[in-house]
Amino acid sequence: DSGVTQTPKHLITATGQRVTLRCSPRSGDLSVYWYQQSLDQGLQFLIQYYNGEERAKGNILERFSAQQFPDLHSELNLSSLELGDSALYFCASSVEEGLYGYTFGSGTRLTVV
Amino acid sequence: QKEVEQDPGPLSVPEGAIVSLNCTYSNSAFQYFMWYRQYSRKGPELLMYTYSSGNKEDGRFTAQVDKSSKYISLFIRDSQPSDSATYLCAFLMFSGGYNKLIFGAGTRLAVHP
Repeated sequence: DSGVTQTPKHLITATGQRVTLRCSPRSGDLSVYWYQQSLDQGLQFLIQYYNGEERAKGNILERFSAQQFPDLHSELNLSSLELGDSALYFCASSVEEGLYGYTFGSGTRLTVV
Repeated sequence: QKEVEQDPGPLSVPEGAIVSLNCTYSNSAFQYFMWYRQYSRKGPELLMYTYSSGNKEDGRFTAQVDKSSKYISLFIRDSQPSDSATYLCAFLMFSGGYNKLIFGAGTRLAVHP
């Protein structure tokens, strides 16, 4: 157990729907990162939060949004889902600036049908 | 040119072999160099971390960094079937006031008894 908790583990939904993925960071970590992993794209950085504030954005679609709450847990919202959004979504957390690497959760496998 | 190049494999070796995994990169701003291991359906876990050129050893694993050639390697000695996983190189840089961790595509390794 890495200490980063992601729920749900699996999600199957239809095109056009909206889903919310949840992440609880490792105790003491203030930074949360969201990554998308698909077979043809590898691990792609989506967005970073630090202590409740958005810090950086990567290749995140406008249909996707995220937030980090005062208790430091984070949610990634995916809307108007398309077949191509099917992927593994990972949350990671780190102490401060991630100088010692990020700790990843086990991921949420999203299947859009 | 991609920022990070990593041969996706798959790489298949017999138990006990020495494995060499490699990545090249083009961005001189990369400051920290890491290797992650990802088992099937799991999140990546940090295996090795270094920030300077040279070698760093941890048990059967050795990470090598050559900043002048922009090349990093991971060596696994006495490989075991339990080493079968995808290995991702990762590079940390600081840009625009935030940190950014960029991953290679990953190399799939299979160690057979």
